[in-house]
Formats: sequence, structure tokens, C-alpha cells
Amino acid sequence: DAGVIQSPRHEVTEMGQEVTLRCKPISGHDYLFWYRQTMMRGLELLIYFNNNVPIDDSGMPEDRFSAKMPNASFSTLKIQPSEPRDSAVYFCASSLSPGGRFEQFFGPGTRLTVL
Amino acid sequence: GENVEQHPSTLSVQEGDSAVIKCTYSDSASNYFPWYKQELGKRPQLIIDIRSNVGEKKDQRIAVTLNKTAKHFSLHITETQPEDSAVYFCAASIAGGSYIPTFGRGTSLIVHP
Repeated sequence: DAGVIQSPRHEVTEMGQEVTLRCKPISGHDYLFWYRQTMMRGLELLIYFNNNVPIDDSGMPEDRFSAKMPNASFSTLKIQPSEPRDSAVYFCASSLSPGGRFEQFFGPGTRLTVL
Repeated sequence: GENVEQHPSTLSVQEGDSAVIKCTYSDSASNYFPWYKQELGKRPQLIIDIRSNVGEKKDQRIAVTLNKTAKHFSLHITETQPEDSAVYFCAASIAGGSYIPTFGRGTSLIVHP
């Protein structure tokens, strides 16, 4: 398996533009997580899905952020409109249901810069 | 909800020295504690974990200890090497519950040759 795949790896956009980040989890994993990482706030959980259903989106900073998981192999995180303070590295991670090691497998991340 | 505090935020050591990173958690129901390592520009990866029924676990040069009474756990790295330089994250979760981990803020470990 190629692991968790994220695209794009880098995104530079201007304030006010819509940004869409994409994630393909590891096949067979039924949990998917979106994290945001900044120097100031560390690694923040934004939202997670179980079997394509959003379970907890309390970490989503505001209504400008939305996430979807239309099927087991694809998820998107959308920011509309984007602001400079959204600049961060966004990680997607996936894992299996509780049991075993509960390891989260992270994607390579998307570095977002909003000018 | 769970709150995980991690210290120090930055740790600088000489090659060959030991490094210790400490974390405390607030929810006494937490029983699974993973540690992730994130090298510069890379993704976080699980390096070791411990369950609450175990007080200590070792894997070559790294070890984790857990004190359930005091609600703290630590990562110990012996004979540090430059390739140990990274950000280390601790986390706490409830295995068998939602299990979604709460992460600490991270510790930037710098190993000087």
C-alpha cells in the first residue's frame, strides 16, 4: 500500500480564495482524521470520520472550514474563503478501528500558504 | 475532555547523552499512550506506545514509563544520535472507547554532534 496520500503537497493562494485539500486513506482503514499543525498551536485535530461519517468536528475553527468524505477512499477539506491565519501544514491520517496498536498513519501533509 | 501537557518544548543535548521528555494527562480513564516522532519536513510516525497495564516498555534505545497514580508518562532516549533530532509528540487515549488520541504540544529535540 502506498500509505496515506495527500494532494497538493504545497498550495499558495491569495486571501479570499477557495482552497481544497485532498486525502486518500489507506485501503481498509475506517477512521480518517484531519489535523492542522502550526508552530503556535502544535498538532490540532480538526475533524474525524468513522466509516465515512463525521463523528466530531469540534476542532474545526469556524464555518469557513468544511470537510467531506463521500466514500471510503477519498476525503476533502475545504476552506472558503481562505485567510492568512489559515497558513499551516494540514495532515490527513487514517487508522483501523480500536484494537491492536491504534496506530494513526499520517500522510505527507499539505503546506498551505495564504498571502 | 482529555488534556495532555508536554515538557520541555525544546531539549538540546550532546550526542551520546540521554534525553527525557515528560507528559501529564488529566483523564484517569486514559489507558493507551503512544509516542510519535516527526523529523523535519516529514510526517509524524509512531515509534513506541504503552498501555496502562504496563509500567515500562523498551525498544532498543528508547523506553517509555508510565505512572498511573500520578498520571504522567515519559519517553527516555539513551545514547542519543544526531538522527534522533526531531519533534516528539506524546498522546493519551482510551483504548476500547473512542480511542481518539489527544496530543501534547510536542518537544523539539536537538542532538548536537
